[in-house]
Amino acid sequence: DAGVIQSPRHEVTEMGQEVTLRCKPISGHDYLFWYRQTMMRGLELLIYFNNNVPIDDSGMPEDRFSAKMPNASFSTLKIQPSEPRDSAVYFCASSLAKGLTEAFFGQGTRLTVV
Amino acid sequence: SQQGEEDPQALSIQEGENATMNCSYKTSINNLQWYRQNSGRGLVHLILIRSNEREKHSGRLRVTLDTSKKSSSLLITASRAADTASYFCATDFLSGNTPLVFGKGTRLSVIA
Repeated sequence: DAGVIQSPRHEVTEMGQEVTLRCKPISGHDYLFWYRQTMMRGLELLIYFNNNVPIDDSGMPEDRFSAKMPNASFSTLKIQPSEPRDSAVYFCASSLAKGLTEAFFGQGTRLTVV
Repeated sequence: SQQGEEDPQALSIQEGENATMNCSYKTSINNLQWYRQNSGRGLVHLILIRSNEREKHSGRLRVTLDTSKKSSSLLITASRAADTASYFCATDFLSGNTPLVFGKGTRLSVIA
């Protein structure tokens, strides 16, 4: 397996534009997590899915953020409209179980909103 | 916040020395994991220690867990320049439905 695959690796967009981040988890993993990493706040959990169903989205900062998992092999994180304070590295991770086993991280998407 | 906290925030050592990083947390856990992050990359799992374990080894890594003090330490022996990275602890809490919660990490620099 190629691991967790995220795209794009880098995204630069203007304030107000819609941004879509994509993730392909490892095949067979039941859990998918979206994290955001900044220097100030560290690694924050935004939302996670179990068997394609969103379980906890309490970390999603605002209604501007939405996430979907239409099938077991694909998830998106959308920001609409984007703001400069959304600039961060966004990571997708997947695991076999919630917390009981290791999580595998993608390489991240570095988002810059200007 | 339930977030674990690593200590120190930054550590700089010479190659060949040992590096010790600490993690403290606030509520009971199922297990604790350590991850490593190289600059610009995703996190990579290093080791998992369960709440009923006190010590675990993996190569040059040694992890201890003291549930009475709600703390863990990661020891890297005979450090190498390639060990330069940020190290994070992640906790899986007993209560609630929250998955892994990460600390802000310790930035380790190993000078050749």
